[in-house]
Amino acid sequence: DAGITQSPRHKVTETGTPVTLRCHQTENHRYMYWYRQDPGHGLRLIHYSYGVKDTDKGEVSDGYSVSRSKTEDFLLTLESATSSQTSVYFCAISDNQPSNQPQHFGDGTRLSIL
Amino acid sequence: GESVGLHLPTLSVQEGDNSIINCAYSNSASDYFIWYKQESGKGPQFIIDIRSNMDKRQGQRVTVLLNKTVKHLSLQIAATQPGDSAVYFCAENTGNQFYFGTGTSLTVIP
Repeated sequence: DAGITQSPRHKVTETGTPVTLRCHQTENHRYMYWYRQDPGHGLRLIHYSYGVKDTDKGEVSDGYSVSRSKTEDFLLTLESATSSQTSVYFCAISDNQPSNQPQHFGDGTRLSIL
Repeated sequence: GESVGLHLPTLSVQEGDNSIINCAYSNSASDYFIWYKQESGKGPQFIIDIRSNMDKRQGQRVTVLLNKTVKHLSLQIAATQPGDSAVYFCAENTGNQFYFGTGTSLTVIP
């Protein structure tokens, strides 16, 4: 398995609170991604990073921010969590751009916002 | 087969039989495709990929077929085993971003 660790694995929090999810990789891969997975939808891209301090928005970026200060860590922050952000969040990595090779995924963070 | 926005399709097969899982993709400009397997409580796991300049690619017990004319992708699993029980979904790459299907749930009956 690709060396990807997501933390926490489970979290329950209240509406309006800030939440930060962490993705840590040991593969030294350049690209890192955050997705959310919801019933009835395929994985949807929230944000991605193509290098340290280089990030860009995905298709469902509203309400989320990211930071990448080191190659190995990619943080996803919900500044003020809403119930619509209850989901399973997956981090993925790749060494090259998406058109050239597959992404490898962590085991996810299940986030519930009450 | 799978489609975005619909209830997750299911497929049940007898152990030892071959399985075929289908995927209809949306963008004729997509040039790279991947099949993933996802077990309960785990992240998606890469199975096999194929580029648009190919029609078929084989791996260990798996084969992916690509029909660009009808924008259709299929995954064939030979001699299906209980450990193959999972959700399988396809991903298409367009403009440097992947778009993922909702998946098909495969159950292998011992």
